[in-house]
Amino acid sequence: KAGVTQTPRYLIKTRGQQVTLSCSPISGHRSVSWYQQTPGQGLQFLFEYFSETQRNKGNFPGRFSGRQFSNSRSEMNVSTLELGDSALYLCASSLLQGNTEAFFGQGTRLTVV
Amino acid sequence: EDQVTQSPEALRLQEGESSSLNCSYTVSGLRGLFWYRQDPGKGPEFLFTLYSAGEEKEKERLKATLTKKESFLHITAPKPEDSATYLCAVQAHSGGYQKVTFGTGTKLQVIP
Repeated sequence: KAGVTQTPRYLIKTRGQQVTLSCSPISGHRSVSWYQQTPGQGLQFLFEYFSETQRNKGNFPGRFSGRQFSNSRSEMNVSTLELGDSALYLCASSLLQGNTEAFFGQGTRLTVV
Repeated sequence: EDQVTQSPEALRLQEGESSSLNCSYTVSGLRGLFWYRQDPGKGPEFLFTLYSAGEEKEKERLKATLTKKESFLHITAPKPEDSATYLCAVQAHSGGYQKVTFGTGTKLQVIP
């Protein structure tokens, strides 16, 4: 079966702009979680959506937001981009809420210049 | 604040040389501990979930164990294809939410 698909794979944005990243989970999975990965901080949890509702969240500012659609596809939005937002953004899907046995996509590499 | 510390940061093994990776954690309200492997340029690949002290899980050459303060990932007779970064993560209750905290990983290199 198809894995987790993230688009786009690479993105270059200018400081101050906003960006939207997309994630299509594995068919049948209702939970989608988002993570930021940087060399300095490692993997950091952003938030989790389950059945179109944000169920869990990490410690990121309100500039980072997301949503989930009825087909479980999810989008993550970052507004007013800062240079420090440059990172690999990973999406993970799982059958149940709570990150149990999560399957990750290959990520979107965001560069802010 | 939840903390996850992995050691060593990097490990170089000869093929067939068994070893263990450590993940120590400080959390309140542990819901689960996860192990992943990550290859360069790819997202993490799920390996194991452990829920309570004393639990053990195995998959091929890997065995994960859990105590109240740490988890070990034992690698028996590793092969070059086991080379990857191994990540540990804990899920815990925090302020009404379930939050996931990752360690910074152990980069394993297995030499033929």
